Amino acid sequence: KQEVTQIPAALSVPEGENLVLNCSFTDSAIYNLQWFRQDPGKGLTSLLLIQSSQREQTSGRLNASLDKSSGRSTLYIAASQPGDSATYLCAVRLNTGTASKLTFGTGTRLQVTL
Amino acid sequence: GAGVSQSPSNKVTEKGKDVELRCDPISGHTALYWYRQRLGQGLEFLIYFQGNSAPDKSGLPSDRFSAERTGESVSTLTIQRTQQEDSAVYLCASSPGLYTDTQYFGPGTRLTVL
Repeated sequence: KQEVTQIPAALSVPEGENLVLNCSFTDSAIYNLQWFRQDPGKGLTSLLLIQSSQREQTSGRLNASLDKSSGRSTLYIAASQPGDSATYLCAVRLNTGTASKLTFGTGTRLQVTL
Repeated sequence: GAGVSQSPSNKVTEKGKDVELRCDPISGHTALYWYRQRLGQGLEFLIYFQGNSAPDKSGLPSDRFSAERTGESVSTLTIQRTQQEDSAVYLCASSPGLYTDTQYFGPGTRLTVL
């Protein structure tokens, strides 16, 4: 059974710092991995999606990397801002044939302070 | 355009009562997913629907849980004889197709069972 773990569970940083969020998964036979952002009272928003054949994806100040063989992904946030405060979730999709059922980690709650 | 909507946003019920949660997917999206997020835990897949195909119910935790979807429109998740451990945020997502990676999430329904 696929298990997804995120470390740390919570993180507080001052504005402007660069930071890294970690995600690990036990079954390397994934189809892709996504990073989501969850704001209180709102749904999840997809930030980056990395296919199993890719090593990284970038969007603005966000960069996600994937090392499938070691079962790890990182989300790098550059020059953090208070608006980045949210819970960040990673989710993996197993190989094709299982549809888009996602297995989620427990999330990292990020607070960026002024 | 309109996103995924869910109602009610909050529901408080007494143990043993039945509840119905509603999800309105994005128009034209053939795939619809239900997830549960209990406090301090990651999202758990419950069920998905794709068009007129038989739904994948493999994530439903017990026979007290059921879901219906009329065609490619509204879905209802029903929990019978609610228990305190059913307290969670129930999230709905839709996507253009079952094997489409991008899922669009609703804001969720927070269910509290007293």
